Amino acid sequence: QQQVKQSPQSLIVQKGGISIINCAYENTAFDYFPWYQQFPGKGPALLIAIRPDVSEKKEGRFTISFNKSAKQFSLHIMDSQPGDSATYFCAASKETGNQFYFGTGTSLTVIP
Amino acid sequence: KAGVTQTPRYLIKTRGQQVTLSCSPISGHRSVSWYQQTPGQGLQFLFEYFSETQRNKGNFPGRFSGRQFSNSRSEMNVSTLELGDSALYLCASAPGPEETQYFGPGTRLLVL
Repeated sequence: QQQVKQSPQSLIVQKGGISIINCAYENTAFDYFPWYQQFPGKGPALLIAIRPDVSEKKEGRFTISFNKSAKQFSLHIMDSQPGDSATYFCAASKETGNQFYFGTGTSLTVIP
Repeated sequence: KAGVTQTPRYLIKTRGQQVTLSCSPISGHRSVSWYQQTPGQGLQFLFEYFSETQRNKGNFPGRFSGRQFSNSRSEMNVSTLELGDSALYLCASAPGPEETQYFGPGTRLLVL
């Protein structure tokens, strides 16, 4: 059973546009929600993360929006650039351990 | 600081063989986790080690095992390989449990 559901599976955005990737979870014990970016041939790299005590976190062009009541969180990439083309994974982990549950990934393509 | 290193980077085996993959964490990191990444299933948690002890284990058969050494380096072993074990195996290290994980580039295993 997929503990974290991610959509869309793929996304094509024009340069300068906004990319939005959504994730949903069921387990209310999750308390850490990171987003990872993965380029071909590389391992995932931490992009930005949030805890449930805040509803939004922004780092540069990347913003996480978190809705605790809906058990949803999303990644917004503002002013998307071709260099942002990669696969993005959302994840969640519980307070009691370091086991991360990953979404199935979103392949983002930013066209010039 | 050097990142997480994994060896070998690529491996081809045949069904029934066994394989050992190695992971060297970032210096000072004591937690090591392993993940299997496949196109169909995404990133799935295998196990996590901290101070030579397995703290968490994912839902994989007993053919998958691992260990951690006193210098925090970790190995994972897969016995009696099956075609379905073909995947990218990722190692992630963290300073300790419940801290941000940093991924290595992975070992791509192909089982023929």
